[in-house]
Amino acid sequence: DQQVKQNSPSLSVQEGRISILNCDYTNSMFDYFLWYKKYPAEGPTFLISISSIKDKNEDGRFTVFLNKSAKHLSLHIVPSQPGDSAVYFCAASALGAGNQFYFGTGTSLTVIP
Amino acid sequence: EAGVTQFPSHSVIEKGQTVTLRCDPISGHDNLYWYRRVMGKEIKFLLHFVKESKQDESGMPNNRFLAERTGGTYSTLKVQPAELEDSGVYFCASSRRVLAGNSYNEQFFGPGTRLTVL
Repeated sequence: DQQVKQNSPSLSVQEGRISILNCDYTNSMFDYFLWYKKYPAEGPTFLISISSIKDKNEDGRFTVFLNKSAKHLSLHIVPSQPGDSAVYFCAASALGAGNQFYFGTGTSLTVIP
Repeated sequence: EAGVTQFPSHSVIEKGQTVTLRCDPISGHDNLYWYRRVMGKEIKFLLHFVKESKQDESGMPNNRFLAERTGGTYSTLKVQPAELEDSGVYFCASSRRVLAGNSYNEQFFGPGTRLTVL
């Protein structure tokens, strides 16, 4: 009963172009969403988040979009850089869930120089 | 400030043996979480401590797993006896105390312990 799904296991993008990573969720109680980035042999590091009261949050080259009606969020990276190559995890949480995060399976992004 | 540290980084044991994983959270972080990632799958929640108390252990797979956080500082996760399906990467994360009822705090993750059960 996976509540957060990332259906694309991998994505390759040319340097300078846009990377779009997608995430779907099933639990309508989720009200906080995050993206984490993970390099090999390291733990996930926080990248960007969005509350359910917003539909967009931007931080430099990273923008997260939330479509609550579709239960879908996406991460846009513009322009993509080779250092962005990593596994990206989508996560969600609900108030009352004790700050427990529900993660997706991850999308491995490769930015080709 | 020092990040979340985990020990060991790797552990290879045989089925039936016992293994204890350790996590040192960021100093001052009341919340401590254990997660596990089985190869290629999602990062799955195991349990959550607030200081030394277990707030939520709904993700613990079975009673072969025992987590402790004596004194509210570091935490250990013991698997006894280990089974093949326990193999995976075990992550620990910590976060500051939530001050308001409707806010979230970023969770900082450690590098993980890769457990292989043969």
